Parts: sequence; structure tokens; C-alpha cells
Amino acid sequence: DIQMTQSPSSVSASVGDRVTITCRASRDFSSWFAWYQHKPGKAPRLVIYAVSTLQGGVPSRFSGSGSGTNFSLTINNLQPEDFATYYCQQGMSFPLTFGQGTKVEIK
Amino acid sequence: QVQLVQSGAEVKKPGASVKVSCKTSGYTFSDYFIHWVRQAPGQGLEWMGRINPKSGGTSYAQKFQGRVTVTRDTSISTVYMELSRLRSDDTALYYCARDILQPVNYFDPWGQGTLVTVSS
Repeated sequence: DIQMTQSPSSVSASVGDRVTITCRASRDFSSWFAWYQHKPGKAPRLVIYAVSTLQGGVPSRFSGSGSGTNFSLTINNLQPEDFATYYCQQGMSFPLTFGQGTKVEIK
Repeated sequence: QVQLVQSGAEVKKPGASVKVSCKTSGYTFSDYFIHWVRQAPGQGLEWMGRINPKSGGTSYAQKFQGRVTVTRDTSISTVYMELSRLRSDDTALYYCARDILQPVNYFDPWGQGTLVTVSS
């Protein structure tokens, strides 16, 4: 199985800050990579797929980058609605696997 | 709009089976794979398997092989996930989710989740 390791596990930030979350994979899987936002009591939401493609309806302050085994999600100008847990996911190899999650908390 | 609506919460005893439904609407059912993902209390997301609604073909995570069965009923645009020989560590929120393309293994949208509690 491809292991996905996110860091940090949590981050405290203020409205207006820039936050970057990283995800490292145990092996290269090209560009089959996504990020999800998950809020308590709600279904997860796809934010970015194919490393850097913004899903429809997602604000442009979200961006993704990376290649090989290292990927990142950046949120610019953090807004109150962005406080959530974010998961990375690889979509190339079964079983599809997620990172353990990064909680973005209000400072 | 695209919607996935799941069946209600279940409480089961260890060793029993549970069958969760995922009714889809707002798109052509056969055009998009459906995945199942679960989240145990305090844990992250775990992929269980997927189905091709057109062919009925399935892929499962090895961890669940032999215990999970995903099926579909094309007449009512509904997918089912059955998990057998339940254990206490199967207590989780179970989600169905649609693939965004055909298939690329990215999930959006998701159902609202179905809580399955396994307790004696």
C-alpha cells in the first residue's frame, strides 16, 4: 500500500494568514493526487485534484503543487470557513489511501 | 444537482451484517463509479472499495476482501455496501462518494454518511 504522511498534524492560524500543508507519499504515483476538506458533521469536499486542479466552486485562495512523492496545499488569506481538517489522497494504486489529516484551527 | 442520499444509522451486534444504501440523482447513474469510504471515531478516512455502475464490476481494499460486497440496482440508481462479520472496530461513519470522472479515483460529491455502531 502507498502510505501518505501529512504534516503538520495540526496548525493554528488566524484569519488572513497563509497556511501550507504537506503530504509525502511512500512511493511515486505521478499526478494522481487530491486534497479534501472535512468539517465536523459534514461530508468531505474535494478541493484539489490532479495535484493542482481546483475543483469547481472552490475559491482561488486554495492552490496545490508538487510532484513525485512530495505535495502541498496552500491556503492564502485564510477565511473563517476554511477552518477544517484537510486530507491528502492518492488515486493511482489500490487500495486508494489518505493521509492522516491536518487540522487547521483558529489561533 | 448531483445528490447522494444514504440510508439511516444502524446498530448491529458483533458477527452480524449491515447493508447501507446510497441513492443517487441528478446525473446518469451508469456514467460514474461510486466509492465507499469510512471514518472510525477519531480516525482518518479509509477507502473500502468501488463499483462500476454500468458493468457491476468492483474493486475492494484487501483489508475488506471477503467481508465487503458492493452492488447496485440500476433501476433505482442506488448502490449498496454490505459488510459482514462485523466487529467493534467496524463502528464508523460510512460514506458513499461519486467519482468525478470515468474513473480517476477522486471523490465528489459525497453522501451525508451513515453511522454504523457495532456493540453487544
